[in-house]
Amino acid sequence: AQSVTQPDIHITVSEGASLELRCNYSYGATPYLFWYVQSPGQGLQLLLKYFSGDTLVQGIKGFEAEFKRSQSSFNLRKPSVHWSDAAEYFCAVVPLITGGGNKLTFGTGTQLKVEL
Amino acid sequence: DVKVTQSSRYLVKRTGEKVFLECVQDMDHENMFWYRQDPGLGLRLIYFSYDVKMKEKGDIPEGYSVSREKKERFSLILESASTNQTSMYLCASSLARGGLAGGIIDIQYFGAGTRLSVL
Repeated sequence: AQSVTQPDIHITVSEGASLELRCNYSYGATPYLFWYVQSPGQGLQLLLKYFSGDTLVQGIKGFEAEFKRSQSSFNLRKPSVHWSDAAEYFCAVVPLITGGGNKLTFGTGTQLKVEL
Repeated sequence: DVKVTQSSRYLVKRTGEKVFLECVQDMDHENMFWYRQDPGLGLRLIYFSYDVKMKEKGDIPEGYSVSREKKERFSLILESASTNQTSMYLCASSLARGGLAGGIIDIQYFGAGTRLSVL
């Protein structure tokens, strides 16, 4: 079955440390890939997206993500985490097929806690 | 900036009530979506619409219906609210046409959410 997996439910990092959030997908062809962030009590904000081309994509707030076709992964990274990055992070995909329309399928999310 | 506005941030309703959740977007987007968000389950698509008066079922449409009479407004309706519909509901919109015609993939913009409690 087609799916998006975020294997880490909770992650805690110290402020200033590096961060990597994992995302794996299971689709026949490479889908369109997104990372969204949800701060407490807020809606979702797009961090970055991958449609094609360079496999390392830059996003807002100093985040980047790398698409690895061989691993079916799209991991989110940040070299130095700030306390304000504490939030829930969602990986999402849109299948690259006619009829996939514009429907996002989300992973279950990773809750990031930042220790000062 | 795109703005997606959900009419209520918090809502408390009783079992059996008919509930309306309203969503308005101000960027002339064709596509609009309703999701529910539950801990450990992420976001799940309830219904979406790619044009006025058009709607398609998402992954979990049971117990819900929708209405899109105007392009900018997309309403989610709980015909008879039940306690298992207590959840966070998120509305989103995007520019490009979706549905069976496929088309250009565009970013979805989200509202701040409505936290619904059904007692």
